[in-house]
Amino acid sequence: DIQMTQSPDTLSASVGDRVTITCRASESISSWLAWYHQKPGKAPKLLIYKASNLETGVPSRFTGSGSGTEFTLTISSLQPDDFATYYCQQYNSYPYTFGQGTKLEI
Amino acid sequence: EVQLVESGGGLVVPGGSLRLSCAASGFPFSTYWMNWVRQAPGKGLEWVANIKGDGSKTFYVDSVRGRFTISRDNAKNSLYLQMNSLRVDDTAVYYCARFAWSLDYWGQGALVTVSS
Repeated sequence: DIQMTQSPDTLSASVGDRVTITCRASESISSWLAWYHQKPGKAPKLLIYKASNLETGVPSRFTGSGSGTEFTLTISSLQPDDFATYYCQQYNSYPYTFGQGTKLEI
Repeated sequence: EVQLVESGGGLVVPGGSLRLSCAASGFPFSTYWMNWVRQAPGKGLEWVANIKGDGSKTFYVDSVRGRFTISRDNAKNSLYLQMNSLRVDDTAVYYCARFAWSLDYWGQGALVTVSS
């Protein structure tokens, strides 16, 4: 199975900050990576697909980059609604696997 | 509007069975791969299984293979997860999710609790 490792586990930031979350795959997944965020008690929401493509309706302050084994999600200017847990997920091969999550907190 | 609504969750004893359903609307259901993803209390996300649009292919995570069966009824726009030989560590919120380049739409989740 492909292991997905996110860093950091927890990120403390403030409104207006620029933040970056990293996701590393244990083997190459090309660009078959998605990013989601999730708020407590809610379903995950898709932000980025195929490593760098912004899902329709997602604000442009979210940017995804990377290929192969290393990927990043950058939020250019944090808004109050962005404080959540973020997950990366590979869909290059089965079983699909998620990173352990990064909790973005104030 | 795409909607996915899970049902069938509840409390079951270890070794028991449960069937989850997911009612889909707002898109051509039969043309999409559909997935089940679960989240144990306070934990991260775990992909469980998926099924091709015509039902001809299925894939599972190792921990549920042989115990869980994913299926679909395209005439009813419905996805199912039959869960047998349930274990305490199957306790989780189970989400159904549509796959289109990624898991782009998710249901609200159904809580399955396995406990004696």
